[in-house]
Amino acid sequence: DVKVTQSSRYLVKRTGEKVFLECVQDMDHENMFWYRQDPGLGLRLIYFSYDVKMKEKGDIPEGYSVSREKKERFSLILESASTNQTSMYLCASSLLGVNTEAFFGQGTRLTVV
Amino acid sequence: AQKVTQAQTEISVVEKEDVTLDCVYETRDTTYYLFWYKQPPSGELVFLIRRNSFDEQNEISGRYSWNFQKSTSSFNFTITASQVVDSAVYFCALSEASANNLFFGTGTRLTVIP
Repeated sequence: DVKVTQSSRYLVKRTGEKVFLECVQDMDHENMFWYRQDPGLGLRLIYFSYDVKMKEKGDIPEGYSVSREKKERFSLILESASTNQTSMYLCASSLLGVNTEAFFGQGTRLTVV
Repeated sequence: AQKVTQAQTEISVVEKEDVTLDCVYETRDTTYYLFWYKQPPSGELVFLIRRNSFDEQNEISGRYSWNFQKSTSSFNFTITASQVVDSAVYFCALSEASANNLFFGTGTRLTVIP
């Protein structure tokens, strides 16, 4: 079974903190994605990566950065957390190509206070 | 421009009723892929189906069926004889050949009442 694991299920951070969300997949997928999910807005793509050290901005990259030093790991970084970044964050991975289904992690619910 | 529209925000049905979840998409690509995902209360999205733009054949899988119509840019999902376990948020998604990306709709929350 494909496994996408996010390091934390719930996280509470203070405004201004630097926050790291980690995601690991075990199926040697080339693509990895970070989405945030908010009520009424669905899933919005923050960043994605199709290879090690490669990254592409999604629809809402502002306030976020990413790191992919190894194929299996994709990190989302909030440089200075703000309350409007309180959200559910979902990591996904897929094989290279637009016709492949994505596999999702269980999500990290981040609260910034 | 929004690429995937799921106009139904929430739907409630009584168990054993049939229900159709609507999905309308927008793309200029001739090659694209459409997906449906289910997000149960546990939170993890689960892949249900994939369809490519060249295959308009409808598909049935048990109580689930999908109707893909390019003429109306729709990819609707029907659950027959709904069950309580079908209660979840369902997302429609689009992947375009010109972009290594996956666009999601806003989701439809389905509640099946016993």
